[in-house]
Amino acid sequence: AAGVIQSPRHLIKEKRETATLKCYPIPRHDTVYWYQQGPGQDPQFLISFYEKMQSDKGSIPDRFSAQQFSDYHSELNMSSLELGDSALYFCASSLGLLDSSTDTQYFGPGTRLTVL
Amino acid sequence: EDQVTQSPEALRLQEGESSSLNCSYTVSGLRGLFWYRQDPGKGPEFLFTLYSAGEEKEKERLKATLTKKESFLHITAPKPEDSATYLCAVQDTGNQFYFGTGTSLTVIP
Repeated sequence: AAGVIQSPRHLIKEKRETATLKCYPIPRHDTVYWYQQGPGQDPQFLISFYEKMQSDKGSIPDRFSAQQFSDYHSELNMSSLELGDSALYFCASSLGLLDSSTDTQYFGPGTRLTVL
Repeated sequence: EDQVTQSPEALRLQEGESSSLNCSYTVSGLRGLFWYRQDPGKGPEFLFTLYSAGEEKEKERLKATLTKKESFLHITAPKPEDSATYLCAVQDTGNQFYFGTGTSLTVIP
């Protein structure tokens, strides 16, 4: 079965550069979530989209922005990168919002961003 | 202030030795509590969603329960392949997600 696809899998950037991470949800999933997980840290929720509209916002820095496109894929744009942005960035998708006990969220393999 | 606290931080079990992991939360309004399994270097794998006190979910050797202040993940007769970090997250009524720091489970053959 198709899973959540993230690209690139690895990315190395210099400080103050920009980066774009892409997430392709499971087919027919209309909700996308972004999480950041620093080394040895628990995941931090960044932002989510439902039907191409921002649904929830977490601890996403102002330097970051994201959007969901008409085909439901999402992109996380990161500018003025800092050393502390080095982390694994996970994308997850679900069919609808997580508001019923039968809803399931599927995670992608993550993009490992290293800022030098 | 910690919103989600998981205990223990690490747990070593013999194969077949049942145990429970705890997730306590302090959010003012709970929209949902989620359990995940995470293997090193991989994305979390969604296990359960719990929405109301008294709710229980089961999947193979795992059973999750929820009270008004905490959730338990019971592991019955674990196998070595159950070794992983188990993460708990809550979503409050403001739609914010808070993750715990996880319990690292090692099951010894």
